[in-house]
This record gives sequence, C-alpha cells and structure tokens, in this order.
Amino acid sequence: AQKVTQAQTEISVVEKEDVTLDCVYETRDTTYYLFWYKQPPSGELVFLIRRNSFDEQNEISGRYSWNFQKSTSSFNFTITASQVVDSAVYFCALIKAAGNKLTFGGGTRVLVKP
Amino acid sequence: GAGVSQSPSNKVTEKGKDVELRCDPISGHTALYWYRQSLGQGLEFLIYFQGNSAPDKSGLPSDRFSAERTGGSVSTLTIQRTQQEDSAVYLCASSLRGAPTGANVLTFGAGSRLTVL
Repeated sequence: AQKVTQAQTEISVVEKEDVTLDCVYETRDTTYYLFWYKQPPSGELVFLIRRNSFDEQNEISGRYSWNFQKSTSSFNFTITASQVVDSAVYFCALIKAAGNKLTFGGGTRVLVKP
Repeated sequence: GAGVSQSPSNKVTEKGKDVELRCDPISGHTALYWYRQSLGQGLEFLIYFQGNSAPDKSGLPSDRFSAERTGGSVSTLTIQRTQQEDSAVYLCASSLRGAPTGANVLTFGAGSRLTVL
C-alpha cells in the first residue's frame, strides 16, 4: 500500500520568509512518480512539479525548489521569499508508474501574511 | 474548453435524495478522474475513465455511487440516496493519455461542493 505523510498541517510566515514543506512517502513500487499540487482558495488543484523515482536531481524554478531524496523517501518543497499569493494548501502526491490513482498527503496550509 | 468545468459549484440536498454532478473535461483529454475531498478523509480517488476502456471503479465507496462518461467527453457522477457522510467537495480532473500513465499531469476543476442535510 502507498502512503504519503505531510506532517505539517499549517505554516504561517511573514512575507519574504522562506517556507519548506515536508513530504514523506511509502511505497513498495520501484518505479513511481511524485507530484506537488497547490490548492488556492478558488479550489482547483494546480500542478507544480512532477518527479520520477529515477530522477533525484533537485530543481529550482523561480522561487520554488524541490529536494527529492530517495534514501529517506522524502520529497520536500521550498518557497523562497514567500508572497501573499503563495497562501494556499499544498499537496504532495504519489503514484506508481503504471497507475492511475494518486495517493495524496493530507496537505499543508500555508498562510503568508503581509 | 480552456479548463475543466464542473457543475453545480454548490449543491445542498436532503438526506435520501439523489444528486448528479457534472464534469466537462479539457477538449482532447482522453483520461478523466473523479476525486473526493472531505475533512475526515482528505483527497480520495473515486473513478478513472480512459477512452473506451472499462473504467476503474475501485475507489467508489459504495454502490450508491456511479459514474458514466458519454461520448468520451462529459462525465456525470451520481450519488443515490445521499447520506450526510457524502458531504464533501467532488473534484474532477482530466489529462492527456501518456505512457506511463503515472506520469500524467492532471488538470483539476474547481469542484462541486455537496452538502447533505
């Protein structure tokens, strides 16, 4: 069975602070994909990044960066210099390579105060 | 359309009534998914449609739930004899059919919030 754990339920920061969201996963599959989605107050989940289990290269995209460590089954996400528009719920998700069901973590609510 | 469209955005119903939730996926997306988001259970997979293949219904919580997808496009999720525990946001998503399927990036709609009194 697959499991995704986001231990932080809510993080509150002041604008321009950095925010790191933790994600730990469990799977018996050897090939799988990991995702981060953002859910703003409007409700729809917005895709942020996808990583496959063979690609541990970390990435920076603008103010976002990701740290995938297969040895610790973690896929953490950092927002640098947070902005009020970053306020949302962020979900980490896992799926096996040939699957069609995403397993989501419980989500982390990020509140960025001006 | 430009995005995934869901209707109604809000539905309040009485216990025991039937409800239908509609999803209009992005044109050209052959894969369609329904998920449920509730306070107690988080985000749960319900059902997956891919082209003309038999749908994966393994996430439907009971036989009161059913879904169909007509003409490979619009999908309807039907909940019969609604119960209070059915109260949740029902999210629809669509994607292109890629290989492997796990790599598909889902585009979600804004959801249909169902409240069962």
